Amino acid sequence: EDQVTQSPEALRLQEGESSSLNCSYTVSGLRGLFWYRQDPGKGPEFLFTLYSAGEEKEKERLKATLTKKESFLHITAPKPEDSATYLCAVQAQGGSEKLVFGKGMKLTVNP
Amino acid sequence: NAGVTQTPKFQVLKTGQSMTLQCAQDMNHNSMYWYRQDPGMGLRLIYYSASEGTTDKGEVPNGYNVSRLNKREFSLRLESAAPSQTSVYFCASSEAAGLTDTQYFGPGTRLTVL
Repeated sequence: EDQVTQSPEALRLQEGESSSLNCSYTVSGLRGLFWYRQDPGKGPEFLFTLYSAGEEKEKERLKATLTKKESFLHITAPKPEDSATYLCAVQAQGGSEKLVFGKGMKLTVNP
Repeated sequence: NAGVTQTPKFQVLKTGQSMTLQCAQDMNHNSMYWYRQDPGMGLRLIYYSASEGTTDKGEVPNGYNVSRLNKREFSLRLESAAPSQTSVYFCASSEAAGLTDTQYFGPGTRLTVL
C-alpha cells in the first residue's frame, strides 16, 4: 500500500529562519511526487512535481529535492506570507493518475 | 480562465437529506477527481473519472455517487447524508495526457451534516 508521511506536523519559525520539511514515502514505483501549498479556507495550490531521485526544483524561497525514500521542502529566509499548510503527495506507476496524500505540515512564520 | 469551480461554497444538511456538489473545469482536462479533507486525515480520494463516460471508486466511496456529465463537469451526490460526511470536499482535474500528471484543485465545499 502506498503511504506518505510528513514531518513535523507543525513548525513555527521566525522570519528569516531557514528550515526543511520532510516527506517520506513508500510506493511500488514512483511516477511523481507533488508538493502543494494550502492556505486556510482555500484549495491546495500546486508548487512542484519531482520525477526522479536527485531532481531539484526551486520557486522563490522554496526548493524541493527528491531521494528514493523521501523529499524535502527547504524554505530559505521565510516570510510571514509563507505561512500555510504544505502537502506532499505521490503518484504511483501503473497507469492510474491517483494521488496519495500525506496529512500535511502547518508552517507558521512569525514576523 | 477560472480553472476549477465548485458550488456551493458552504452547505448545512440534516441527517438523511440529499444533495449534489457541483464541479466544473475550463482547462479541457480529461480527468476529474473528488476528495474529502478531514482534520488529521489528509486528503482522501472518493471517486475519480479518467475520461468522459468513466468513473471509478477511490479510497472512501461509500455513501457517495458521482456523474461525469460531460468533459467539463463532474458532480458528487450524497443520497442520504450522515454526520460522518461532515467534511470539506475538493474537486480536482488533470490533463492526464503525459507521463505524470498535475492535479489542480477547486476552492472547496464546506459541508456540515447535523
